[in-house]
Amino acid sequence: DVKVTQSSRYLVKRTGEKVFLECVQDMDHENMFWYRQDPGLGLRLIYFSYDVKMKEKGDIPEGYSVSREKKERFSLILESASTNQTSMYLCASSLSFGTGTDTEAFFGQGTRLTVV
Amino acid sequence: GQQVMQIPQYQHVQEGEDFTTYCNSSTTLSNIQWYKQRPGGHPVFLIQLVKSGEVKKQKRLTFQFGEAKKNSSLHITATQTTDVGTYFCAGPAMYSNYQLIWGAGTKLIIKP
Repeated sequence: DVKVTQSSRYLVKRTGEKVFLECVQDMDHENMFWYRQDPGLGLRLIYFSYDVKMKEKGDIPEGYSVSREKKERFSLILESASTNQTSMYLCASSLSFGTGTDTEAFFGQGTRLTVV
Repeated sequence: GQQVMQIPQYQHVQEGEDFTTYCNSSTTLSNIQWYKQRPGGHPVFLIQLVKSGEVKKQKRLTFQFGEAKKNSSLHITATQTTDVGTYFCAGPAMYSNYQLIWGAGTKLIIKP
């Protein structure tokens, strides 16, 4: 089974702190994603990566950055946490993209971040 | 921009009643995926539909992909408490080979 593991289930940080959310997958997937989930808004893509050291902005990248130094690890960084970044953060990976098979996303358990 | 609209946002049913959620895309989709998220959990892939008019079944769940490949539905027959959760549809973005466009989800609630 594919396993996507996020470093924390719950996190409480102060406004202005730099926050690191870590994600590791064990299936040698090329593609990794960071989503934010808020009630009524579904899943919104923050950043994704299709290869080591490669990253692309999703729909809501402002206030976030990412790092992918190794294939299995994708980190989300909140440069200076703000209260409007309080949310559920979900990491996902997939084998391939686009219109073919093996494009399904496998999700981590999520990190519920509260910024106070 | 490209959108996937999903309705209803919530559906309350008595256990044993049927449940349906609908997705409508603003553009033709090459495929559509369905996911289930249990309360407190993370989205889990259920199925992918690729062909126009495709119908697939998983026990009490029936998934359909419209003839024009712009809409899709998930129907659950005789709901059980284990069906509780939020069901999402997602399709590939036209502007990016890498992204999925997600519906906002339909939350299935079983009335006590």
